[in-house]
Amino acid sequence: DAKTTQPNSMESNEEEPVHLPCNHSTISGTDYIHWYRQLPSQGPEYVIHGLTSNVNNRMASLAIAEDRKSSTLILHRATLRDAAVYYCILRDRNTGNQFYFGTGTSLTVIP
Amino acid sequence: NAGVTQTPKFRVLKTGQSMTLLCAQDMNHEYMYWYRQDPGMGLRLIHYSVGEGTTAKGEVPDGYNVSRLKKQNFLLGLESAAPSQTSVYFCASSDQDRDGYTFGSGTRLTVV
Repeated sequence: DAKTTQPNSMESNEEEPVHLPCNHSTISGTDYIHWYRQLPSQGPEYVIHGLTSNVNNRMASLAIAEDRKSSTLILHRATLRDAAVYYCILRDRNTGNQFYFGTGTSLTVIP
Repeated sequence: NAGVTQTPKFRVLKTGQSMTLLCAQDMNHEYMYWYRQDPGMGLRLIHYSVGEGTTAKGEVPDGYNVSRLKKQNFLLGLESAAPSQTSVYFCASSDQDRDGYTFGSGTRLTVV
């Protein structure tokens, strides 16, 4: 199964944009790229997902490299409520849609 | 919508006891999953189901059993609890082709 690599931690100042990187060099053509976040003492929360094209929603934007070997989650204006662990995960539609989580990136937002 | 509901939220077991964790979803999702999360770690897949009456093993299935007799429910059983099973357990469900997972709020299990 294709896996992802993320930095262990990142910091951002409040109200500034945040770019969270993810490498997935062994991604296959059927893998969707998903992002989740987990606030302290809560279950993971869906953020965004995409296949090939960049995606936007009310929470964030997802920029996918042309070769699909990396992607970047963009939070346009970080708030203190965005402090969480962010997981980049590949979803393979051909293997029962299992998600394998890594340890993610712990984002600290500085007031 | 309730989404994904897990019961109980907290439980303390003695080594060797058994228990069942219940996950219920009201979104008519086909896929359901059980994960465990240990302190400072990401989630690890225990078992999953791709539809009513089906189950399959994930990364860490040993010591657990599951059943999906009804589409909306996914049960996780511990037949003989061990301290190594102390963890937070998350259930999730997913539609087949659309958006991502919806997670429950978790069950914090301590085995003493």
